[in-house]
Amino acid sequence: QQPVQSPQAVILREGEDAVINCSSSKALYSVHWYRQKHGEAPVFLMILLKGGEQKGHEKISASFNEKKQQSSLYLTASQLSYSGTYFCGTEILGGTASKLTFGTGTRLQVTL
Amino acid sequence: GAVVSQHPSRVICKSGTSVKIECRSLDFQATTMFWYRQFPKQSLMLMATSNEGSKATYEQGVEKDKFLINHASLTLSTLTVTSAHPEDSSFYICSARGLLNEQFFGPGTRLTVL
Repeated sequence: QQPVQSPQAVILREGEDAVINCSSSKALYSVHWYRQKHGEAPVFLMILLKGGEQKGHEKISASFNEKKQQSSLYLTASQLSYSGTYFCGTEILGGTASKLTFGTGTRLQVTL
Repeated sequence: GAVVSQHPSRVICKSGTSVKIECRSLDFQATTMFWYRQFPKQSLMLMATSNEGSKATYEQGVEKDKFLINHASLTLSTLTVTSAHPEDSSFYICSARGLLNEQFFGPGTRLTVL
């Protein structure tokens, strides 16, 4: 089952913050985050494995809740280069190893 | 970071012909590669998992006789779309699994079947 992302789309001014959520109906082994620009391949951002984990850089970070069914991606002080579509990719607990099911996607546009 | 190449980047073919797409991991060995299909403004849909030296595992609803996958070496997987039809037109993307189970994606192949 495909994880649900929210919001579907968001428009930010440069410097503003955004949060993108990814929710699964099943417990997860891991969650991955990717960014895809129009006409290009997705680029790996980070992977979270542990419940309660938070990781990332200063301006792009992510969390994985204790129940391991939800993850959030935090974009701080957004830059124009952050524009693109963000996908979470989820590995189901007990599922096929390394097989990812990608979320519905969140389109982010950063403007001046 | 790891680099994955895909060739060709764009192909236009006539209905009924076969098209082969290559996916290569350039600076690492990939025992597992994945093939996805993506329609405009939609998410990536996994078609099959390709394991070096063994048969590919196809997702439900994907015809294995139509989408032939060969993973002959640790750096190369190929997807052949046989007897292509206009409904096969799409963006096909491969990825290679890294050491941490992350996936490194190729640049994609846009297939247009006339």
